[in-house]
Amino acid sequence: EIVLTQSPATLSLSPGERATLSCRASQNVNNILAWYQQKPGQAPRLLIYGASTRATGIPARFSGSGSGTEYTLTISSLQSEDFAVYYCQQYSNWPPWTFGQGTKVEIK
Amino acid sequence: EVQLLESGGGLVQPGGSLRLSCAASGFTFSSYAMTWVRQAPGKGLEWVSAISGSGSHPYYTDSVKGRFTITRDNSRNIVYLQMNSLRAEDSAFYYCAKDASGFPYFFDFWGQGILVTVSS
Repeated sequence: EIVLTQSPATLSLSPGERATLSCRASQNVNNILAWYQQKPGQAPRLLIYGASTRATGIPARFSGSGSGTEYTLTISSLQSEDFAVYYCQQYSNWPPWTFGQGTKVEIK
Repeated sequence: EVQLLESGGGLVQPGGSLRLSCAASGFTFSSYAMTWVRQAPGKGLEWVSAISGSGSHPYYTDSVKGRFTITRDNSRNIVYLQMNSLRAEDSAFYYCAKDASGFPYFFDFWGQGILVTVSS
């Protein structure tokens, strides 16, 4: 089973700042990685798949990068609606499909 | 517009059973795998089970193998999760999610979730 470790657990930033979230895999996932956003009381929403491809309707301020075992989700300039929890998920080696434990982006 | 509507959750005693349903619309249901993901209150996401578009290939996380069964009815656009021998640790919000292809990969649309509580 591939274990995904996200860091930091919490990121405290102000609107307009840049957010950099990390996801480390226990083995190479070959860019077969997705990112989701979840707001309180809501279902997760797909942001990125294939490590760097934005899903339909996702703003350009969200970008994904990385390779091998190290991946990054960047939010270039935080908007008020971006404060949420973010999860990475691998679909390289399954079952099981695994998620990271999440990074909470909160308002500083 | 893709819509996923879960039903069948609720309070059940340990050892009991529940059947979750997820009614889908807005896409060619049989062409896509479907997945159940759960989330205990205040915790992270956990993949539970998935089924290929044809229904021929079910998958389960180890902790539910032998207790949960995923099926789908492609004539009615519904995916089911039969949950037997429920334990307290199965308590969570259960989300139905549409996969991006005929086999489970990543999940491009999610239902709003339904709460399952296992308690005496």
